[in-house]
Amino acid sequence: EAQVTQNPRYLITVTGKKLTVTCSQNMNHEYMSWYRQDPGLGLRQIYYSMNVEVTDKGDVPEGYKVSRKEKRNFPLILESPSPNQTSLYFCASSSPGGESYNEQFFGPGTRLTVL
Amino acid sequence: DAKTTQPTSMDCAEGRAANLPCNHSTISGNEYVYWYRQIHSQGPQYIIHGLKNNETNEMASLIITEDRKSSTLILPHATLRDTAVYYCIPTGGSGNTGKLIFGQGTTLQVKP
Repeated sequence: EAQVTQNPRYLITVTGKKLTVTCSQNMNHEYMSWYRQDPGLGLRQIYYSMNVEVTDKGDVPEGYKVSRKEKRNFPLILESPSPNQTSLYFCASSSPGGESYNEQFFGPGTRLTVL
Repeated sequence: DAKTTQPTSMDCAEGRAANLPCNHSTISGNEYVYWYRQIHSQGPQYIIHGLKNNETNEMASLIITEDRKSSTLILPHATLRDTAVYYCIPTGGSGNTGKLIFGQGTTLQVKP
């Protein structure tokens, strides 16, 4: 089954404790992206990657890092989480080229709480 | 990026057609209109997209006005599982980075 998986699905942590949210897709997609969703602010893009070893900032990259060492995985790293990073996070992927970038498959979401 | 205006909420009776409008009067000539939906805190789901012609797939139909300033998503026979927030997103074209700008969307409530 074609899918995007995220782990963990739920996480409660404390300020400053480094964490990684994993994202994996099995569709051989070259494009991957991370979003966060907050009440009243909608979904906002954090980082995206158009291919292996190619990443770029989205609209809200501060406090986050990503890496793209292999095509299927795109982990989101919070080096020193803060309470304002409490949010619902979504990973997405799509095929390359033209309008196909925007026909994206989303993961189930990771609900992160930073105390 | 083009701005969009969608009704905040709509109701639809189960089995009837749901028609969800979207105004995107500032859409640029090479931007497509994409529709996504999000069922309560699940990941958004792609529905359909179009440039200037009407489109239909197994999920929905998309009607785009000739001037491209507005569009309507049609769910022909709404079911309770279609209750969700629906987003109209003009995007694509030159310089496309794949970024999707999700506005506030329309909350569709399908009622028995």
